Amino acid sequence: GAVVSQHPSRVICKSGTSVKIECRSLDFQATTMFWYRQFPKQSLMLMATSNEGSKATYEQGVEKDKFLINHASLTLSTLTVTSAHPEDSSFYICSALPADYNEQFFGPGTRLTVL
Amino acid sequence: GQNIDQPTEMTATEGAIVQINCTYQTSGFNGLFWYQQHAGEAPTFLSYNVLDGLEEKGRFSSFLSRSKGYSYLLLKELQMKDSASYLCAVSPEWEGQGGKLIFGQGTELSVKP
Repeated sequence: GAVVSQHPSRVICKSGTSVKIECRSLDFQATTMFWYRQFPKQSLMLMATSNEGSKATYEQGVEKDKFLINHASLTLSTLTVTSAHPEDSSFYICSALPADYNEQFFGPGTRLTVL
Repeated sequence: GQNIDQPTEMTATEGAIVQINCTYQTSGFNGLFWYQQHAGEAPTFLSYNVLDGLEEKGRFSSFLSRSKGYSYLLLKELQMKDSASYLCAVSPEWEGQGGKLIFGQGTELSVKP
């Protein structure tokens, strides 16, 4: 089956620093990747849609200057949380969509804690 | 707007059958997914319905009625390991937004001995 990895799995950082999260599709090429955020006991909220070689499309209410997304290749997308604050602490999950396919494959998630 | 509703919590007994309902109102429809998510882990795919009717896969079945904007996930012969959150997600049919999913709030299922 299709495998998606995320790195790091957990990160703790100080307030004001930036954190980069990587999402990789290991055995397929993903023309589209999605970034979600999930707060405790809540569902996944789509933050942005990332297409290889083009700018990401952000959902309403998501600050594009704070959550920088780069989809430089067909197997890698990165999310950078800039100037992180405690309220950014959350579980960040990416998913990857193979070309001509309707099912997304999810990464294992990254737990971000901002002190 | 997009709206997907499912119960917040459900409790069932080991060995029993449980049905988790999901209703949706979206600008378009390109399929409905059910995912299982254990705490602190990524969602795992359970089922996909795009046509009306019942899809059966082992102990899990999923039903869709597009005219009613309604789906359910049926879990049979419940096991303790089925305790998890079950997420209903709809793929709306938007131009240039292929594959985008809108998730419901999730149903936390607790299976008791």
